[in-house]
Amino acid sequence: GAVVSQHPSWVICKSGTSVKIECRSLDFQATTMFWYRQFPKQSLMLMATSNEGSKATYEQGVEKDKFLINHASLTLSTLTVTSAHPEDSSFYICSATRDLGQGNPQPQHFGDGTRLSIL
Amino acid sequence: GIQVEQSPPDLILQEGANSTLRCNFSDSVNNLQWFHQNPWGQLINLFYIPSGTKQNGRLSATTVATERYSLLYISSSQTTDSGVYFCAVGAPGGSNYKLTFGKGTLLTVNP
Repeated sequence: GAVVSQHPSWVICKSGTSVKIECRSLDFQATTMFWYRQFPKQSLMLMATSNEGSKATYEQGVEKDKFLINHASLTLSTLTVTSAHPEDSSFYICSATRDLGQGNPQPQHFGDGTRLSIL
Repeated sequence: GIQVEQSPPDLILQEGANSTLRCNFSDSVNNLQWFHQNPWGQLINLFYIPSGTKQNGRLSATTVATERYSLLYISSSQTTDSGVYFCAVGAPGGSNYKLTFGKGTLLTVNP
């Protein structure tokens, strides 16, 4: 159980293109989804947190107009990199968790990531 | 915010050896997860262990929350254990249960 599917696995596109990445929880309802970015040989850095039906919360230094996040349902969140440039090339990975309430955090389950290369 | 330190940063083993990876954190946590990132980038969830001890096959983990550290034990290592091991913690308070990742331990298991 607790499977998270992320698509596409890799994208190569020209500078100026907008790219959409999907993150789906396949067998559970994800009250919260997270988007991370990972540069080569570095750790994961949280970009933003999204809750179903509300605006995403972005971490300091992350441009919300560059990285648009939509969490339209309890099983789907999307990240759109708008007008992508070579410096946006990175590994993007999502995770999902379900809130059981009472301040009781549950484990985050991760997708397989998306390798984005902007030429 | 909470700080997470992992040690050692790099570890090279011969197949069959045992190892211990450490994760220190700077504040109280209500969530701690260990992950293995394979060479293809996939993040494999090893343990959800905010406290206590768990075992899964050749792997086990212990978190001593009062002393702010967690240990991951790998016994009889195999070449397929190679990759980066991350510890990630979540601190109480606030909302959305954010995780902060350590910088990882790069494990190389040679045949």
